[in-house]
Amino acid sequence: EPEVTQTPSHQVTQMGQEVILRCVPISNHLYFYWYRQILGQKVEFLVSFYNNEISEKSEIFDDQFSVERPDGSNFTLKIRSTKLEDSAMYFCASTRDSNTGELFFGEGSRLTVL
Amino acid sequence: GENVEQHPSTLSVQEGDSAVIKCTYSDSASNYFPWYKQELGKRPQLIIDIRSNVGEKKDQRIAVTLNKTAKHFSLHITETQPEDSAVYFCAAHHTNAGKSTFGDGTTLTVKP
Repeated sequence: EPEVTQTPSHQVTQMGQEVILRCVPISNHLYFYWYRQILGQKVEFLVSFYNNEISEKSEIFDDQFSVERPDGSNFTLKIRSTKLEDSAMYFCASTRDSNTGELFFGEGSRLTVL
Repeated sequence: GENVEQHPSTLSVQEGDSAVIKCTYSDSASNYFPWYKQELGKRPQLIIDIRSNVGEKKDQRIAVTLNKTAKHFSLHITETQPEDSAVYFCAAHHTNAGKSTFGDGTTLTVKP
């Protein structure tokens, strides 16, 4: 069964450093998402991406965040200058179309900012 | 934007009992309501969903009901088992916005 894959599974970084989290969505899916989950808290929407552009973003997704689909398969989340409060699990998700709504999540990338 | 409230935040039941988790949403344009189960350290996984043109859906021990007028939906788990212990999240999906907004989660503990 096709799966969303994410790398790295865990990244430790120093405050102020840039981080890139990578995702490979399911191949016939058209909508891509990044969600964030701080330990023990809810799953928070960051950004949705469709047709090579951002379709929606939350207040969390400020100028320090960016997303890109550099080729036909990867979908990346970049945090330019990490802060302590960026420590969280970042989930990539994809869905075939917006009407379907069912999100297929990757296993997540745990980011620890020291 | 959409606001989803979920209750209770924690729920403890004896094995074999039923568990009910309730959610409300604010945006009447939301039209798809999934429920996700998240085990410790794992990703959320869809367990059941319901669309806005349906009032109830059942899959074995799990059922979901939707009241569009009142903007609330509920998850019902019958004959609970210890392996049902997890965090459950409801979500409301808005097609035009193309995103799902999650509730705060309910930690379900099923005691053997």
